[in-house]
Amino acid sequence: GAVVSQHPSWVICKSGTSVKIECRSLDFQATTMFWYRQFPKKSLMLMATSNEGSKATYEQGVEKDKFLINHASLTLSTLTVTSAHPEDSSFYICSARRGFSGNTIYFGEGSWLTVV
Amino acid sequence: AQRVTQPEKLLSVFKGAPVELKCNYSYSGSPELFWYVQYSRQRLQLLLRHISRESIKGFTADLNKGETSFHLKKPFAQEEDSAMYYCALSPFSGGYNKLIFGAGTRLAVHP
Repeated sequence: GAVVSQHPSWVICKSGTSVKIECRSLDFQATTMFWYRQFPKKSLMLMATSNEGSKATYEQGVEKDKFLINHASLTLSTLTVTSAHPEDSSFYICSARRGFSGNTIYFGEGSWLTVV
Repeated sequence: AQRVTQPEKLLSVFKGAPVELKCNYSYSGSPELFWYVQYSRQRLQLLLRHISRESIKGFTADLNKGETSFHLKKPFAQEEDSAMYYCALSPFSGGYNKLIFGAGTRLAVHP
């Protein structure tokens, strides 16, 4: 089956620094990737839709200057949390859509971010 | 507004008992509905989608447009069904298959 991999699985960073999380589709091309955020015991909240070769589409209330998303290739999207604060600590999950249409979505294993 | 509601945070049953995880949605158009499952320490994975009308691992879900519901059912629960279940909605108009998730229901099946 299709595999989506995130790196790193967990990261600790200091307040004020920036941290990058990668999302890769290992065996298929993903024109569209999605970034979610999940708080403990809460649901997944869609942050943005990442389209290869174009700007990401952010959901209402998500700061695009704080959560920078880049989708430079058909197999890689990155989420950079800039000037991180403790309240940014969360579980970040990406998913990738296989192909150009349809609803076959594959999820990454998630990345834990802790800002201290 | 697009919204998915899963009223139960936890559903606890004994092995062999029937299970119904409730899901209601709010959307003005004709969405596509999904159930995703997350087993302990594993990533989120698709369980089933309403357009497929299939049964996966004994689970079924019927879309009721009149009641705007998509409840997940299984006649006889197994211990290995214990997991977190998320109902999700994908608006057709989105075109990019973004998913709106409910809060999730934890199913605990006891021996």
